[in-house]
Amino acid sequence: EPEVTQTPSHQVTQMGQEVILRCVPISNHLYFYWYRQILGQKVEFLVSFYNNEISEKSEIFDDQFSVERPDGSNFTLKIRSTKLEDSAMYFCASSESWREADEQFFGPGTRLTVL
Amino acid sequence: KQEVTQIPAALSVPEGENLVLNCSFTDSAIYNLQWFRQDPGKGLTSLLLIQSSQREQTSGRLNASLDKSSGRSTLYIAASQPGDSATYLCAVRGNNDMRFGAGTRLTVKP
Repeated sequence: EPEVTQTPSHQVTQMGQEVILRCVPISNHLYFYWYRQILGQKVEFLVSFYNNEISEKSEIFDDQFSVERPDGSNFTLKIRSTKLEDSAMYFCASSESWREADEQFFGPGTRLTVL
Repeated sequence: KQEVTQIPAALSVPEGENLVLNCSFTDSAIYNLQWFRQDPGKGLTSLLLIQSSQREQTSGRLNASLDKSSGRSTLYIAASQPGDSATYLCAVRGNNDMRFGAGTRLTVKP
């Protein structure tokens, strides 16, 4: 069964460093998303991406964040200068389209630890 | 701004019991509602999706209902098993994003 994959599973970085989190969405899906979950808190929407551009973004997704689809399979989230409060689980998701019937399928997540 | 609330925050039941998890949301203008399961330290597994025009969906021992006008959804789990132990999240998709509840942590004791 097709699934969303994410790498790495765990990333440790120093405050101020740049990190890139990688995702491979399900191959026939057209909409891609990033979410984050700070330990013990709700899953929060960051951004949605379609047709090589951002569709929607939350107030969390500030200038420190960027997304890219560098090739036909990968979808990346870049954090330019990490802060301690960026420590969280980051989930990538994808869906076929934006119709009511379309489920979002989530990857296993990347745990980001900022020291 | 859409707010999603799940009650109870935690639930412990003996194996074999039927149970109901509750989800409420403040804005009825939704596209769909999705129930997920999350095991500790893991990703989200989609269980059921209910479109805004639907009233319920069933998958195996799971049944989810949606009452959009009152801003409520329930997830019914029949004949619970220890393997059902996990956190159950509901998520409401609106025009621009998807908003999650904090989840109900379910423990099913053998």
